[in-house]
Amino acid sequence: QVQLQESGPGLVKPSETLSLTCTVSGGSISSYYWSWIRQPPGKGLEWIGYIYYSGSTNYNPSLKSRVTISVDTSKNQFSLKLSSVTAADTAVYYCAKSSCSGGSCYNYWGQGTLVTVSS
Amino acid sequence: QSVLTQPPSVSAAPGQRVTISCSGSSSNIGNNYVSWYQQLPGTAPKLLIYDNNRRPSGTPDRFSGSKSGTSATLGITGLQTGDEADYYCGTWDSSLSAVLFGGGTKLTVL
Repeated sequence: QVQLQESGPGLVKPSETLSLTCTVSGGSISSYYWSWIRQPPGKGLEWIGYIYYSGSTNYNPSLKSRVTISVDTSKNQFSLKLSSVTAADTAVYYCAKSSCSGGSCYNYWGQGTLVTVSS
Repeated sequence: QSVLTQPPSVSAAPGQRVTISCSGSSSNIGNNYVSWYQQLPGTAPKLLIYDNNRRPSGTPDRFSGSKSGTSATLGITGLQTGDEADYYCGTWDSSLSAVLFGGGTKLTVL
C-alpha cells in the first residue's frame, strides 16, 4: 500500500513562492500520475495539477502561470512550487497518487499539510 | 462556483438510504468516468468509488455509484452515524484538460 507524506513550510509570506515535497513510500514513483490538490479552510477541493513519472505535466488552467510540479525518481519524491502567493492560496495541500487513463482519473490521498500565507 | 454541481447538504436517519447527486456537462461527466470521495471531519479525502460504480477494496457495499448522461449519483444504504462526512464527486474535463471536483455535500445522519 503506497503511502504519501507532504512536507514543507507551514507559513509563507505574500508574494513569495510556496514549496512542498511529497515523499512516496511503499511503492515506486515510476508509474502512475502524481497530483497536487488543495482545500482552503472550510471550502471545497481544487485540483492544482499532476505529473507523470516521466516528467510530463498538466496544470489547472487557472493556476498554470504560477505552478511548477517536478519529480525526482531517485528520491521517490515529487514537488510543488506555487509562485507569487497571496492569502487566497492559504489551504491544506494534499499530494495524491492518481490513476488516469482513457477518461478516468481518480486519486489516493496523502494526509495533507496546512500552508498559511501571511506576513 | 464549481463546474460540477452537488447539493450542499443532505440528511437522513440511521438505517435509511440517501443519494447525493453530481451534475455536469458533456465535456466532463457525459464522456468521462466519475469518482467519489469521502472526507470525514478533520481528515483527508478517501477514494470511495471510481470509474462510476467500482468500489476499491475497503469500501463497503453499502456505497454505490451510478451515472446517467451528464449526472452521477452516490447512494448509501443502511446509514450509520460514522457516515457523517463531506462527499465530493470528481471527473476529468476533456475541454479544460483538467480534473474537476464538485463543491461537496455534507451528509448528516440524524
